[in-house]
Amino acid sequence: GDSVTQMEGPVTLSEEAFLTINCTYTATGYPSLFWYVQYPGEGLQLLLKATKADDKGSNKGFEATYRKETTSFHLEKGSVQVSDSAVYFCALSVQGGYNKLIFGAGTRLAVHP
Amino acid sequence: DAGVIQSPRHEVTEMGQEVTLRCKPISGHNSLFWYRQTMMRGLELLIYFNNNVPIDDSGMPEDRFSAKMPNASFSTLKIQPSEPRDSAVYFCASSNRDRQYFGPGTRLTVL
Repeated sequence: GDSVTQMEGPVTLSEEAFLTINCTYTATGYPSLFWYVQYPGEGLQLLLKATKADDKGSNKGFEATYRKETTSFHLEKGSVQVSDSAVYFCALSVQGGYNKLIFGAGTRLAVHP
Repeated sequence: DAGVIQSPRHEVTEMGQEVTLRCKPISGHNSLFWYRQTMMRGLELLIYFNNNVPIDDSGMPEDRFSAKMPNASFSTLKIQPSEPRDSAVYFCASSNRDRQYFGPGTRLTVL
């Protein structure tokens, strides 16, 4: 069945460091791919999405490219801030699945000044 | 739009009591999802509805859990009787396409 695997955390970085969080997926068909972010005490919110191969999603300095050949959707940011500390979830849409999403386990990011 | 609304935001109850969590989805959204989040098990999908009809409840952990969606603007998740292991944050999310919008969650503590 469809699944999402993302790198285990926590990821600990200093402010202004480069961030990569790896995400790979297994799916039938051509799913849309997402990154959601969860700040402490809040619900998940959409960070960015890509709907087809080679699309790049971007938001708030974060980017991820839909790579069909490697079934990956890695999240990157060139210079992280303390305010980026959160849990990041990679997800894919289930085709014909009534808007159902399959989430990865989440990766906690801690950014220190 | 106010977003997905959940109530209560916090609930503390004693083992054996009935607990009812409430969710108001975003107007116009036709899918509604209930999730549970714990440190041990992460984010789990419990049940989801499409056009008020339950589509898949295979994630509901036990018969003590039940969910209803009587109309397009309201859903409940009920636990009866509650147990300490049900302590978690419960999220409701709604969707009208492939993006889901999450509510702020209900933090449930069962003593």
